Amino acid sequence: KAGVTQTPRYLIKTRGQQVTLSCSPISGHRSVSWYQQTPGQGLQFLFEYFSETQRNKGNFPGRFSGRQFSNSRSEMNVSTLELGDSALYLCASSSDRDIMTGTEAFFGQGTRLTVV
Amino acid sequence: QQQVKQSPQSLIVQKGGISIINCAYENTAFDYFPWYQQFPGKGPALLIAIRPDVSEKKEGRFTISFNKSAKQFSLHIMDSQPGDSATYFCAASHRAPNTGNQFYFGTGTSLTVIP
Repeated sequence: KAGVTQTPRYLIKTRGQQVTLSCSPISGHRSVSWYQQTPGQGLQFLFEYFSETQRNKGNFPGRFSGRQFSNSRSEMNVSTLELGDSALYLCASSSDRDIMTGTEAFFGQGTRLTVV
Repeated sequence: QQQVKQSPQSLIVQKGGISIINCAYENTAFDYFPWYQQFPGKGPALLIAIRPDVSEKKEGRFTISFNKSAKQFSLHIMDSQPGDSATYFCAASHRAPNTGNQFYFGTGTSLTVIP
């Protein structure tokens, strides 16, 4: 069974540009979450999508947005990039079968974004 | 506000020794406590997880101890090996209908096992 796939693995962008990252979850998983990982802040939750709907959102500015497609693949977009957006962006997928308790989350290898 | 507090920040252990990493949380609604292992250049990988209805869970050399009343849980790595050298994250999550599944992570512990 294939794991969580994130593309691209590395990106270098200029301040002010926008970027789109992609995540393909494990087959059959309908929940996709995004996290930002930086040395100073650790892993910070961005948002979660389930069945094409954003279910939960972390404390990030509106420049960070996402969407999910009918095949559960998800994209994350960051507009007007700032130097501080340089980070490892991780995607996690869950089966979400048990709606009332926490479920296992499996992470991709991440996309390393560098803003210059 | 850090919902899950993790310590120590770094840990050096001799090969064969026991590595212990501790986490504490405040939100009593949390009902799932996983530990993740992350190697450089890789995403976090689920190592072991526990739910609050048990006090201990063991998988091979890895054991989670859970103290619900103290709101603390810890990871014990027995017979630590150089290949265990990685960053370890504890996490906690809770679910409610229609609100999704959000994980709160500790700040990570960098473990180095010396041969």
